[in-house]
Amino acid sequence: GQQLNQSPQSMFIQEGEDVSMNCTSSSIFNTWLWYKQDPGEGPVLLIALYKAGELTSNGRLTAQFGITRKDSFLNISASIPSDVGIYFCAGQGPNDYKLSFGAGTTVTVRA
Amino acid sequence: DVKVTQSSRYLVKRTGEKVFLECVQDMDHENMFWYRQDPGLGLRLIYFSYDVKMKEKGDIPEGYSVSREKKERFSLILESASTNQTSMYLCASSGTASGDFGPGTRLTVT
Repeated sequence: GQQLNQSPQSMFIQEGEDVSMNCTSSSIFNTWLWYKQDPGEGPVLLIALYKAGELTSNGRLTAQFGITRKDSFLNISASIPSDVGIYFCAGQGPNDYKLSFGAGTTVTVRA
Repeated sequence: DVKVTQSSRYLVKRTGEKVFLECVQDMDHENMFWYRQDPGLGLRLIYFSYDVKMKEKGDIPEGYSVSREKKERFSLILESASTNQTSMYLCASSGTASGDFGPGTRLTVT
């Protein structure tokens, strides 16, 4: 599958800070997904986006499907220690069975 | 609320052994995937299946095979395990617009 360009690779943040990460693709997608993976566990779906321009929230998390359909953003507001983990973006193109994944953003929160 | 399950969380096998990793999903999803995850390399697709008895190679199929005899079950087979197949193996399934992962199997080949 295509590897998406996810940035940043890692971040150290202060508790209470807002966090942003993004993914870009060279081709258009119909679906953007954001996952979080805790150490030793499988990724868990956080937010799914299905329409260009869509903005969706899940608690302190907000994600957007870019207008060009080639990018997506995830924001975490007021970070807390349990936000630690690896965040992955994934996308699915038209007529594509496969999900393409970003390499992940590792988030570490300083208390 | 069980969605995707994997047969083992941790597995230790010897070099040369044949290894079976089982994945079962209860969401009636058409598509199922096997990935391996290694530090610094992200998620790499080994094989996927978009229907019963259908399979397609992913990015790193060498040394692996798969079987999908029933819609809910997708098996990954290591024909002759090698130490470079020590990794975290993740199964996923997806319907038309979302995907769910299993908890992963940490395989160590000694």
